[in-house]
Amino acid sequence: SAVISQKPSRDICQRGTSLTIQCQVDSQVTMMFWYRQQPGQSLTLIATANQGSEATYESGFVIDKFPISRPNLTFSTLTVSNMSPEDSSIYLCSVEQDRGPSSYEQYFGPGTRLTVT
Amino acid sequence: EDQVTQSPEALRLQEGESSSLNCSYTVSGLRGLFWYRQDPGKGPEFLFTLYSAGEEKEKERLKATLTKKESFLHITAPKPEDSATYLCACGGLHFGNEKLTFGTGTRLTIIP
Repeated sequence: SAVISQKPSRDICQRGTSLTIQCQVDSQVTMMFWYRQQPGQSLTLIATANQGSEATYESGFVIDKFPISRPNLTFSTLTVSNMSPEDSSIYLCSVEQDRGPSSYEQYFGPGTRLTVT
Repeated sequence: EDQVTQSPEALRLQEGESSSLNCSYTVSGLRGLFWYRQDPGKGPEFLFTLYSAGEEKEKERLKATLTKKESFLHITAPKPEDSATYLCACGGLHFGNEKLTFGTGTRLTIIP
């Protein structure tokens, strides 16, 4: 299985500032995803980040607020811009590994716990 | 739109008391039904992917099954270390957008 690390693991930020979260994978993967998990809630997909193309954003999420970079097959960043307290969440990076024909496994990083004051 | 509903929201069991968690799903073309375990303050841990009705997979005290509308996670003789939130997610056949839709989870507590 893929081993995924995220930095920072947690941060407390002031409203109006921005935070960039890094995601590093120990193997090359085509598809990387960014999710948000608000307190007591389940996971919501923010965007899909494929290397060499623009990220694809889900309804309710926009590039100006959550710009994403995917410079290579093992790394991605998510920036949370112009933060407000409503952005306080756990942000999770995940990757999909193709295990063969019609066989998929998706793995998650440990998450970044963001608190906006 | 893909939808996933999990029940119950919370379940308390005595150690050794077997039970099942339910995941009902609606998806336009199932690519896979995923089960995860999530401990507090951690990212979800991958357990299983199921692909077609009738399929079953096992891991230690856990067994996942799949029908055309539901998946069950059976827990046999659970131990306190099985306490966690169990998440179900479905992956739909959306070309170019291989996303998972998650349920809200079942919070499982095993009492010694």
